[in-house]
Amino acid sequence: DVQLVESGGGLVQSGGSLRLSCAASGFTFKSYWMTWVRQAPGKGLEWVANIKEDGSEKYYVDSVKGRFTISRDNAKNSLYLQMNSLRAEDTAVYYCARDRYYKPDYWGQGTLVTVSS
Amino acid sequence: DIQLTQSPSFLSASVGDRVTITCRASQGISSHLAWYQQKPGKAPKLLIYAASTLQSGVPSRFSGSGSGTEFTLTISSLQPEDFATYYCQQLNSYPQTFGQGTKVEIK
Repeated sequence: DVQLVESGGGLVQSGGSLRLSCAASGFTFKSYWMTWVRQAPGKGLEWVANIKEDGSEKYYVDSVKGRFTISRDNAKNSLYLQMNSLRAEDTAVYYCARDRYYKPDYWGQGTLVTVSS
Repeated sequence: DIQLTQSPSFLSASVGDRVTITCRASQGISSHLAWYQQKPGKAPKLLIYAASTLQSGVPSRFSGSGSGTEFTLTISSLQPEDFATYYCQQLNSYPQTFGQGTKVEIK
């Protein structure tokens, strides 16, 4: 079965850093784009970033450019999101999802990031 | 950035009702649109991709249509388990964006 399991969330002070991980299993990880999407408490979904199968292309929403870095390790079937200079508005549940041919079909259960000001 | 506007933002309906949600894009996105269902505390669940293709395992009462700038999600006969929030997402250009959501509640 396809599984995506996020980890690394927690409470961090404004200006701090956190690294999220997404462990993938049950599919050929290196064959999929991977995406991070977040959801602030009580709010809608916001696309954050994605990365090509081989890591050669990465895209970000403007609000995180220069602060967040998406990466992957295909040997470890893992996706990462390095988050620096965190702000209160980054507080959200962060989901990872796999995507192939415009079809984000499996999502993890999410990990909560809380940034205290 | 491409803006997606869903309407309505909220709707109250009864079991058995036919429900239609609209998603309008600020510019053309071909058929690169997905629809999701989300229940409280859960991850979004993909219902429709490529504007009109039903995801495997999703009941056939869900359908999607449209291309370009106007899209619809239809639930032909609302069931108790369908009360949730629905989102559209465009995957045509970066940054990818979501609609603001449509909450479907029991009348």
